[in-house]
Amino acid sequence: DQQVKQNSPSLSVQEGRISILNCDYTNSMFDYFLWYKKYPAEGPTFLISISSIKDKNEDGRFTVFLNKSAKHLSLHIVPSQPGDSAVYFCAASASGGGSNYKLTFGKGTLLTVNP
Amino acid sequence: GAVVSQHPSRVICKSGTSVKIECRSLDFQATTMFWYRQFPKQSLMLMATSNEGSKATYEQGVEKDKFLINHASLTLSTLTVTSAHPEDSSFYICSAGGGFDPGELFFGEGSRLTVL
Repeated sequence: DQQVKQNSPSLSVQEGRISILNCDYTNSMFDYFLWYKKYPAEGPTFLISISSIKDKNEDGRFTVFLNKSAKHLSLHIVPSQPGDSAVYFCAASASGGGSNYKLTFGKGTLLTVNP
Repeated sequence: GAVVSQHPSRVICKSGTSVKIECRSLDFQATTMFWYRQFPKQSLMLMATSNEGSKATYEQGVEKDKFLINHASLTLSTLTVTSAHPEDSSFYICSAGGGFDPGELFFGEGSRLTVL
């Protein structure tokens, strides 16, 4: 049973436009959400996170929105750049914080930004 | 920034042999490391939590006698796939945290295991 779902395996956008990556979760105990970016042959790297006490977190071109009632979060990238092309993983945690906690990952969405 | 290094990146072995994968935190001490497995087109699945100086905690459905984890120091955790079979072929990846911020969880490059 997948507790974190990324229903779009791939997404293609034009450079300069907005990329919206979606993630849904089922476990109401999740209270911290993260997005990771992964290039081929590399490990995932942390991108941005949001705590369940917030509904939005912004960092430069990246914004994560959290809708707790819908158990849905999304990552917006504006403007999209070709270097953003990668697999994006949504992850969630129920521990309340700290680095010594377990993450549950979605399957990932392959984003392709076309020049 | 902090780096987690994983070795080997690729390994091919015969069925029945054992394979060891190392995960090192290069510039910070990690009391806890995590091991994940990813099958094609699937998500990263947590296998076990590796605790320095104590036994690893395995997730449900993961055979602890098959996937031996040793966290002998604050900078090294190893995963040994014992008596590997073709169905163990997968992408194995570790992660470690150096601080309290969840964003400080760093991942290794991953190890692609192919069992013939």
